[in-house]
Amino acid sequence: DGGITQSPKYLFRKEGQNVTLSCEQNLNHDAMYWYRQDPGQGLRLIYYSQIVNDFQKGDIAEGYSVSREKKESFPLTVTSAQKNPTAFYLCASKGQASNQPQHFGDGTRLSIL
Amino acid sequence: KQEVTQIPAALSVPEGENLVLNCSFTDSAIYNLQWFRQDPGKGLTSLLLIQSSQREQTSGRLNASLDKSSGRSTLYIAASQPGDSATYLCAVQTGANNLFFGTGTRLTVIP
Repeated sequence: DGGITQSPKYLFRKEGQNVTLSCEQNLNHDAMYWYRQDPGQGLRLIYYSQIVNDFQKGDIAEGYSVSREKKESFPLTVTSAQKNPTAFYLCASKGQASNQPQHFGDGTRLSIL
Repeated sequence: KQEVTQIPAALSVPEGENLVLNCSFTDSAIYNLQWFRQDPGKGLTSLLLIQSSQREQTSGRLNASLDKSSGRSTLYIAASQPGDSATYLCAVQTGANNLFFGTGTRLTVIP
């Protein structure tokens, strides 16, 4: 079955540590996205990529970095510069047609040790 | 900047009841409006997508309407079931990669 796989499901970060969240899709989608979800707030866009080797900042990119070396993969690194990283992180992908919705993975919950 | 509001924040209904969830947005220049379902600790599942030129979309017991000029959408769920219990999110797309989400309505269907 085609879909989006996020790993790990739970992740803990120590002070001063960088951590990387994995997102892989086999839907052959060009566009991929990272969102952050906090309680009581809507999803907020961190980074997005429309094509391999290209990515753009979203609304809350500070303290995060991404890469897009392969069409299937869009990993997100939460750096030590992100002072409030505790959240639920969601990865999504989308086909080219405007009438196609975004498809989401099951998320990674990041907490601070 | 586009703002999306969903009312109510939470709703409890007895099984079998028909219900309506509301979504409003501030800027009517949208590509489409989407309704998603989110189960606890899970990602989002797309339910319905309404293009800006459309007025409504239907899928099974779900019907979504769009009134772009007034900045409103409703999601109608017929004959609700306990399995419908989840958080329902509304999102509007304003550009190729700009999807603005509401904070959701948490629905509980009581058996």
